[in-house]
Amino acid sequence: EDQVTQSPEALRLQEGESSSLNCSYTVSGLRGLFWYRQDPGKGPEFLFTLYSAGEEKEKERLKATLTKKESFLHITAPKPEDSATYLCAVHSGGSNYKLTFGKGTLLTVNP
Amino acid sequence: DTGVSQDPRHKITKRGQNVTFRCDPISEHNRLYWYRQTLGQGPEFLTYFQNEAQLEKSRLLSDRFSAERPKGSFSTLEIQRTEQGDSAMYLCASSLSQGVTDTQYFGPGTRLTVL
Repeated sequence: EDQVTQSPEALRLQEGESSSLNCSYTVSGLRGLFWYRQDPGKGPEFLFTLYSAGEEKEKERLKATLTKKESFLHITAPKPEDSATYLCAVHSGGSNYKLTFGKGTLLTVNP
Repeated sequence: DTGVSQDPRHKITKRGQNVTFRCDPISEHNRLYWYRQTLGQGPEFLTYFQNEAQLEKSRLLSDRFSAERPKGSFSTLEIQRTEQGDSAMYLCASSLSQGVTDTQYFGPGTRLTVL
């Protein structure tokens, strides 16, 4: 069974203080790893898809990287509006098209 | 592109009542998914449609749950004889088949509270 573990559960940063979120996974044949952002009371908002180890994607202050066992979401010089829960999900070869999600990391950026 | 829409956004019901939720996917998307999310957890897969065919159901989807996607367009999720444990956010997502994996786009969710 696919497993996704995110750490830390919660992270509090000062504005401008860069950091990384971790997503470790165990799957049978990774087809894609996804990062989403979720604001309170809303649905997840798509950020990135990573397909293979060594791949990197960037969007504004966010950069996602992938290895064979984990993915990192690097946040450079965060702003208060980056505060949200960041979810990691995997699609594996044994799971048709469903995504298996981690519990998320709650990021708070203080001004 | 108007995104995925869900209706209602909030539903409060009494235990034992039936409820039905609707999802309208992004217009050209042929795949549609339902997930359930409880507080502090990530979304959990419930079921998946390709066009009008329901191709996979989670064991989380008990006999009280039924989903349809008539004509491969909108979808409905019905919960019969609701229980307090059904209280959760019900999320719908849609995608366009693109090869080895698809990007799923989520709607705003329906928050269900069972009293």
